[in-house]
Amino acid sequence: ELKVEQNPLFLSMQEGKNYTIYCNYSTTSDRLYWYRQDPGKSLESLFVLLSNGAVKQEGRLMASLDTKARLSTLHITAAVHDLSATYFCAVQETSGSRLTFGEGTQLTVNP
Amino acid sequence: EAQVTQNPRYLITVTGKKLTVTCSQNMNHEYMSWYRQDPGLGLRQIYYSMNVEVTDKGDVPEGYKVSRKEKRNFPLILESPSPNQTSLYFCASRGRANYGYTFGSGTRLTVV
Repeated sequence: ELKVEQNPLFLSMQEGKNYTIYCNYSTTSDRLYWYRQDPGKSLESLFVLLSNGAVKQEGRLMASLDTKARLSTLHITAAVHDLSATYFCAVQETSGSRLTFGEGTQLTVNP
Repeated sequence: EAQVTQNPRYLITVTGKKLTVTCSQNMNHEYMSWYRQDPGLGLRQIYYSMNVEVTDKGDVPEGYKVSRKEKRNFPLILESPSPNQTSLYFCASRGRANYGYTFGSGTRLTVV
């Protein structure tokens, strides 16, 4: 059974600071996703990571994937209040479309 | 506009009364999936479908049914809802290209 663990689960940070969210998973996978969810809203796709060493960046967010370590990171650079949300990683099993989510990291960026 | 449409957005029902939550996508996506989101448990996959007439169980399929008779629609059926099915439900779809899933707006279901 595929397990996906995120840490930290709660993150409070000041504007302008950097931080990293970690996503570990337990079995081989061919696809890893990062999503953002605002309170009461749906999930918004941020990144799709497909191969070992993949790195993608959008604005202040950068995601990377190490398939050998079964680890993905979401790095936040110079955080701003607008980044406050819950961030999920999700791992797709190699065999098909079964998608397993991490518990989510609730990020609060304080002025 | 490319989107996944779920209906209804909010639903309060009574135990045992059959209900259907509809999901429709206009992107010609092959893959569709249902999730439930509960506090402290994150999102869990209920059922998924890789194409028309092809469905499979996710992590928490008990008490749910799905069908995929047409590519665009993937309804979630609760034959006899119970209070432990009170949750926030999301439908999502994905094409074969390497993009993330597109999620619907969610359906907040309360079973009393």
